[in-house]
Amino acid sequence: AQKVTQAQTEISVVEKEDVTLDCVYETRDTTYYLFWYKQPPSGELVFLIRRNSFDEQNEISGRYSWNFQKSTSSFNFTITASQVVDSAVYFCALSEGANAGKSTFGDGTTLTVKP
Amino acid sequence: GAVVSQHPSRVICKSGTSVKIECRSLDFQATTMFWYRQFPKKSLMLMATSNEGSKATYEQGVEKDKFLINHASLTLSTLTVTSAHPEDSSFYICSARDWEDDNSPLHFGNGTRLTVT
Repeated sequence: AQKVTQAQTEISVVEKEDVTLDCVYETRDTTYYLFWYKQPPSGELVFLIRRNSFDEQNEISGRYSWNFQKSTSSFNFTITASQVVDSAVYFCALSEGANAGKSTFGDGTTLTVKP
Repeated sequence: GAVVSQHPSRVICKSGTSVKIECRSLDFQATTMFWYRQFPKKSLMLMATSNEGSKATYEQGVEKDKFLINHASLTLSTLTVTSAHPEDSSFYICSARDWEDDNSPLHFGNGTRLTVT
């Protein structure tokens, strides 16, 4: 069985602070995909990143960066110099193989960035 | 812009009635679409996988007779909540990926907030 744990239910930071959202996963598959999504108050899920289990390279995209560590089964997400527009619920998800639709989602972390 | 369109975005219905939610892929074709349910401040729960031209695959615990799924074409899947009850009130989200692009990420619709009174 797969499981995704986002231990931080809510995080509140002040604008320009850096913030890291934690994600720990469990799976018996050797091939799997990890995802991060952003869900703003409007409700739609916005795809942020996909990483497969064979690619442990960290990734940076603008103010966003991701740290994938198989040794600790973690896929953490850091926002640098946070902005009010970053306020949203962020979900980490895990899928078996390429069928990303059958994903197991974490419970989400609600990030509030205050001006 | 959105590549998966979900309609309606909000719907209120009375107990006992049925509600249909549409999910359309706008710029690509999808042989498979997925339906999720999200409770307030909770995670997304996969309800079923919609397969074009064949029966949907339901996750354990999801009543197939209550949540009817039809994948009539490569760009349209519908979820019908039959004989709705207040406990069916929830946020329903569909997703799809481009079947011709293995590297395509999953695209989500904007969701439908269903309220059953």
